[in-house]
Amino acid sequence: DQQVKQNSPSLSVQEGRISILNCDYTNSMFDYFLWYKKYPAEGPTFLISISSIKDKNEDGRFTVFLNKSAKHLSLHIVPSQPGDSAVYFCAASDGGSTLGRLYFGRGTQLTVWP
Amino acid sequence: NAGVTQTPKFRVLKTGQSMTLLCAQDMNHEYMYWYRQDPGMGLRLIHYSVGEGTTAKGEVPDGYNVSRLKKQNFLLGLESAAPSQTSVYFCASSRPTTYEQYFGPGTRLTVT
Repeated sequence: DQQVKQNSPSLSVQEGRISILNCDYTNSMFDYFLWYKKYPAEGPTFLISISSIKDKNEDGRFTVFLNKSAKHLSLHIVPSQPGDSAVYFCAASDGGSTLGRLYFGRGTQLTVWP
Repeated sequence: NAGVTQTPKFRVLKTGQSMTLLCAQDMNHEYMYWYRQDPGMGLRLIHYSVGEGTTAKGEVPDGYNVSRLKKQNFLLGLESAAPSQTSVYFCASSRPTTYEQYFGPGTRLTVT
C-alpha cells in the first residue's frame, strides 16, 4: 500500500501563475519530506525539503508547506516558468531503522505553458 | 565530479538472460540505493546498502541481487530476466547524515 500519495498525475499552469503540487502520506512516523524534480531521460534531482518540526520552508520560487495534522504537504512554485515543466516526486523518510530510506509518491507531471 | 554514473544507459535482454547494472559514485557516500521506475508507479526501492560489504532488501527485491564490494560501486544483478523487469533503473547515493539522495541518469532495460 502506498504510504506517500500524489493524487494528481498532471497539472497544467500558465507561465507566471502559481503551481501547487499536493502530496498526502499515511505513516505518522515520517519526519522528513523532500521534493524531487525529474526531466525526461534524466535522474531525479533534489529540489527542496522540510523537517516535521517546521510547517514551511522556502527557497527562491519554491515553498513547501507541511500540515502534520492532515498528513499533507504541498509544493508552491511562484511564478511558474516553462523550465519548471517536469515530473515532481514527493518523498518521505522515517529516519530511524531504515537509515535514510525514502518512500516516493507516483509523481505529478507539471506543464507550464507560455 | 561526475556524481552518480550508471552503466549501461540502455539494454535489451531476452527472457532468461542475465545481466549486471553498474552504479558508481565519486562523492564518498556511505549509502547507495537501487530503484525502479515504472509508468504511473513512481520510484520503488529494490535494494540498498549502508556501507561496503552490506546490503538490504527494499520494497521490490524479488528477482534481483546486489553487491557492494567497494564503497564507490553498487551492482544490481538480474539472474534470469523476465518481461516484468522491463523498467527504468535508477541508482542513488547519500551521506548517512542527510536525507537527500543523489541520483544517476538511469538505465532503460527492456526484456522481451
